[in-house]
Amino acid sequence: NAGVTQTPKFQVLKTGQSMTLQCAQDMNHNSMYWYRQDPGMGLRLIYYSASEGTTDKGEVPNGYNVSRLNKREFSLRLESAAPSQTSVYFCASSEGGGRRPQHFGDGTRLSIL
Amino acid sequence: AQSVTQLDSQVPVFEEAPVELRCNYSSSVSVYLFWYVQYPNQGLQLLLKYLSGSTLVKGINGFEAEFNKSQTSFHLRKPSVHISDTAEYFCAVSDSQGGKLIFGQGTELSVKP
Repeated sequence: NAGVTQTPKFQVLKTGQSMTLQCAQDMNHNSMYWYRQDPGMGLRLIYYSASEGTTDKGEVPNGYNVSRLNKREFSLRLESAAPSQTSVYFCASSEGGGRRPQHFGDGTRLSIL
Repeated sequence: AQSVTQLDSQVPVFEEAPVELRCNYSSSVSVYLFWYVQYPNQGLQLLLKYLSGSTLVKGINGFEAEFNKSQTSFHLRKPSVHISDTAEYFCAVSDSQGGKLIFGQGTELSVKP
């Protein structure tokens, strides 16, 4: 029972490099989310996709782009990585609407030198 | 706008002692409330949720929380903790619209033998 799968689990980048974080869910959920987690700040929403074909900005979208490739997959792209983007990134999915809990992947630990 | 405040960043407690992790929220609309737990190097798992009805909700691993509308609080409690409860705990709020979660800063629970 995979749930939400994130790849890669770890990554080290140099400033200015680009990369894409991948996320896939097998629960047939409508909504998907990308968060970043920084010490003492909880999780902050970067982008979300309420349904296939739609994406919207969250609290901290600057420096990121997303693609909802299909119902299962939601990717996060850093076009030109900066040290301030060093963080742990979590993908989540839910059936949608405020009542439904979100299901989280195990995270991608990203360091930018 | 909604916000969540977790009043303690760290809570040390001895094994078999009771514990309360405090959470306050602010919102101008009806909300749904969640507690999630994060074990080291893992994603977040749902502990419990309040959607409506009884203000005392029970979750997994013996945890419970009480919704207090007048005090805008949703404190998490466990009568007797175990070493295995050592983790970070997050309180979160969502509204009836898009299902976006707003997280508190997290409380690190450390259970000592």
